[in-house]
Amino acid sequence: KNEVEQSPQNLTAQEGEFITINCSYSVGISALHWLQQHPGGGIVSLFMLSSGKKKHGRLIATINIQEKHSSLHITASHPRDSAVYICAAAVGGSQGNLIFGKGTKLSVKP
Amino acid sequence: SQTIHQWPATLVQPVGSPLSLECTVEGTSNPNLYWYRQAAGRGLQLLFYSVGIGQISSEVPQNLSASRPQDRQFILSSKKLLLSDSGFYLCAWSRVRGALSYEQYFGPGTRLTVT
Repeated sequence: KNEVEQSPQNLTAQEGEFITINCSYSVGISALHWLQQHPGGGIVSLFMLSSGKKKHGRLIATINIQEKHSSLHITASHPRDSAVYICAAAVGGSQGNLIFGKGTKLSVKP
Repeated sequence: SQTIHQWPATLVQPVGSPLSLECTVEGTSNPNLYWYRQAAGRGLQLLFYSVGIGQISSEVPQNLSASRPQDRQFILSSKKLLLSDSGFYLCAWSRVRGALSYEQYFGPGTRLTVT
């Protein structure tokens, strides 16, 4: 079993839909990262959180430390949101080592 | 502001040839530096990380090596490439402060194809 599991693996949505991507982890973490990888390969950090909830524009990330679970939500989805979303668990303290999920490929249709 | 550069952007190399990928960071000092690889159809995997000049930790045994000759320069090398070395190589940096975890910032990546 992978230490970081994401679901679903692939997701197709219509423009405007509310989207949820889930991440479960089995390791002790200092923080959880959500990353976005564009088709060209570039990766952008969306959120880093260790408790509660963070919001940036139409993106919301939540984490439940007791349940070892995090979710990424996209409200009013748009075709430009199409990308691979990756969850990564930060272990190892100041070394910042990340253990990555396999990613969720999101495609938003107009 | 901080920026991170990687080069080359793409590379096609024959099996058995050497490799050198370079990563440099601007606008910060004493960052943690990381090399990741994303093989086709697979998730990202941490290869090396460095907490300072000359300090390299390897996460996965392989025919790759890393060096940090300067504070903001991180180099990934191989003496003889294998087909299985093909993939997308990403460099990243993060701040360091005690035992806290900080956001990682990724470079644009190098797509390596070994033929």
